Amino acid sequence: AQSVTQPDIHITVSEGASLELRCNYSYGATPYLFWYVQSPGQGLQLLLKYFSGDTLVQGIKGFEAEFKRSQSSFNLRKPSVHWSDAAEYFCAVGPGSSNTGKLIFGQGTTLQVKP
Amino acid sequence: DTAVSQTPKYLVTQMGNDKSIKCEQNLGHDTMYWYKQDSKKFLKIMFSYNNKELIINETVPNRFSPKSPDKAHLNLHINSLELGDSAVYFCASSQSQFSYEQYFGPGTRLTVT
Repeated sequence: AQSVTQPDIHITVSEGASLELRCNYSYGATPYLFWYVQSPGQGLQLLLKYFSGDTLVQGIKGFEAEFKRSQSSFNLRKPSVHWSDAAEYFCAVGPGSSNTGKLIFGQGTTLQVKP
Repeated sequence: DTAVSQTPKYLVTQMGNDKSIKCEQNLGHDTMYWYKQDSKKFLKIMFSYNNKELIINETVPNRFSPKSPDKAHLNLHINSLELGDSAVYFCASSQSQFSYEQYFGPGTRLTVT
């Protein structure tokens, strides 16, 4: 069965420091991969997505993610974190073009930013 | 303009009651979804409709009944509410049933006492 694991439940970084949030997936074929961000009391906003092609994808708010097939990973990175990045981050996988748009989400990583 | 809106934002009710949550999208999308986010923030899909037709129906108690009067609206009715139904319910939409790029509403926090 498809699954998504975000190994870090909670991460704290200092403002201005770099950030990497980990995401590992289990899926038989090439998945569609997503990162969403949920600010407190808000819905989820799509940060970036990977369908095919270049394995390094750029997203909004200065985020990027790299798809590594050999490691079944899709880690999210940002070179310099801002206080406004404090939020919940969700990695998600889509089962593939033959299925309906069902997304499977990881359990989320809470990012705290220290001043 | 809000792309995906939900009402109400907060809902507090007692066990055994029946309640509804409404969702509307103005993106012109064909497909809409209901997700449940539990207290541990785990997000799981419940239902999906494509052009008013049910296409995803996960293992959800039949006390939950979605209804899509048109492709811009997807409502969720819950009968005989239980304590375990307390959660945040998110509506989302996508351009088609094969599109995984989903746009989420702000959520409805349901508290059952």
